Amino acid sequence: DSGVTQTPKHLITATGQRVTLRCSPRSGDLSVYWYQQSLDQGLQFLIQYYNGEERAKGNILERFSAQQFPDLHSELNLSSLELGDSALYFCASSVTAYNEKLFFGSGTQLSVL
Amino acid sequence: AQKVTQAQTEISVVEKEDVTLDCVYETRDTTYYLFWYKQPPSGELVFLIRRNSFDEQNEISGRYSWNFQKSTSSFNFTITASQVVDSAVYFCALSEGVSSGDKLTFGTGTRLAVRP
Repeated sequence: DSGVTQTPKHLITATGQRVTLRCSPRSGDLSVYWYQQSLDQGLQFLIQYYNGEERAKGNILERFSAQQFPDLHSELNLSSLELGDSALYFCASSVTAYNEKLFFGSGTQLSVL
Repeated sequence: AQKVTQAQTEISVVEKEDVTLDCVYETRDTTYYLFWYKQPPSGELVFLIRRNSFDEQNEISGRYSWNFQKSTSSFNFTITASQVVDSAVYFCALSEGVSSGDKLTFGTGTRLAVRP
């Protein structure tokens, strides 16, 4: 168990809908990352937050947004969902923000029908 | 732009065989970090090792060993005397340091199947 908690584990929804994925980092970790894993794109970095502030951005679509709250948990919001958004979404955390090893959650499997 | 290539898509070995997973990277930075992660059938990514660009010493941890060669931009991973529990997808990843944020670029992964 990595200590990173993601909910829900599975999510099935329809095109055009909006969903929120939640992540609680390991106790003491200040940095949270979101990654998307799909068959065609592989593992792609989406966004990183450090102590509540956005620190790095990857290939995150404009329809997607994220935030990190004062208690350090993070939420990834996906809106106007398309079939191609179906993927496994991972959250990871680390103590600081500098190239440390990441502790990954078990992921949220999103299926857009 | 940074890039990680894992040319081996799938490898199948019989238990107790040694196996090497290849990783080749591209970066313009002089300071960077290389990682290996394991994704077992349960799905969760598990950290195995981190190497910075200034440390070319090979590392051994139990049955696992890593060979980092800057001259060939490679960071290969060897499992000695493989076991069925080693069956997983293994990802090599690259981080280019503070200037580019803290994002990891992953390779496409190598699926290792260890048969009893």
